Amino acid sequence: HSALTQPASVSGSPGQSITISCRGTSSDVGGYIYVSWYQHHPGKAPKVIIYDVSHRPSGVSNRFSGSKSGNTASLTISGLQAEDEADYYCCSCTDNRTWVFGGGTKLTVL
Amino acid sequence: EVQLVESGGGLVQPGGSLGLSCAASGFTVNMYWMGWVRQTPGKGLEWVANIKKDGSEKNYADSVKGRFTISRDNAKNSMYLHMNSLRAEDTAVYYCMRRVEGSSLRDYWGQGTLVIVSS
Repeated sequence: HSALTQPASVSGSPGQSITISCRGTSSDVGGYIYVSWYQHHPGKAPKVIIYDVSHRPSGVSNRFSGSKSGNTASLTISGLQAEDEADYYCCSCTDNRTWVFGGGTKLTVL
Repeated sequence: EVQLVESGGGLVQPGGSLGLSCAASGFTVNMYWMGWVRQTPGKGLEWVANIKKDGSEKNYADSVKGRFTISRDNAKNSMYLHMNSLRAEDTAVYYCMRRVEGSSLRDYWGQGTLVIVSS
């Protein structure tokens, strides 16, 4: 399975909303609810912010939301804050019981 | 407190072998799928392998299949990754993590251990 397709970078001003897309195929994103999103600050462990397409783990801000349409999943961050600046990755299970990450999106808060 | 601590990283020559360990505390690993994810320098996250709660199922990325072996010892509350025939492209920070069965929730990750494959 090839890596899921994400934009290399997105940016937004504090208070704005941004959306990061994650395009896959019917053999991964489109075929399962098992899509998750991770926030990764350099030098730290990745942190799950969305799982099973749209569920937020306890302790994650409700400014983060996830959705899916067809073969594309999306992560929306509303009310951007400086601390949201990080790399974001989507991840999906695949039809051969493996998992695949997206290429990652660098979020810059202007 | 839930913790995952990786160890075993280091410098190894191309073609060599290395074993990574992931010690868990604050929970019992036999309740979770466990797995490894790596981040190569300047690149993104790559899923490497995972292993079922009882060790009866193991899955690998194509890039490591046949060279890496994942295992677990529930009695020691630990997981392992044995890496053979290492290549320069295996150079990465390796993270261990746990996944809740029946979901995509990987809620705890280790801090990572660096593997450098170079002559």
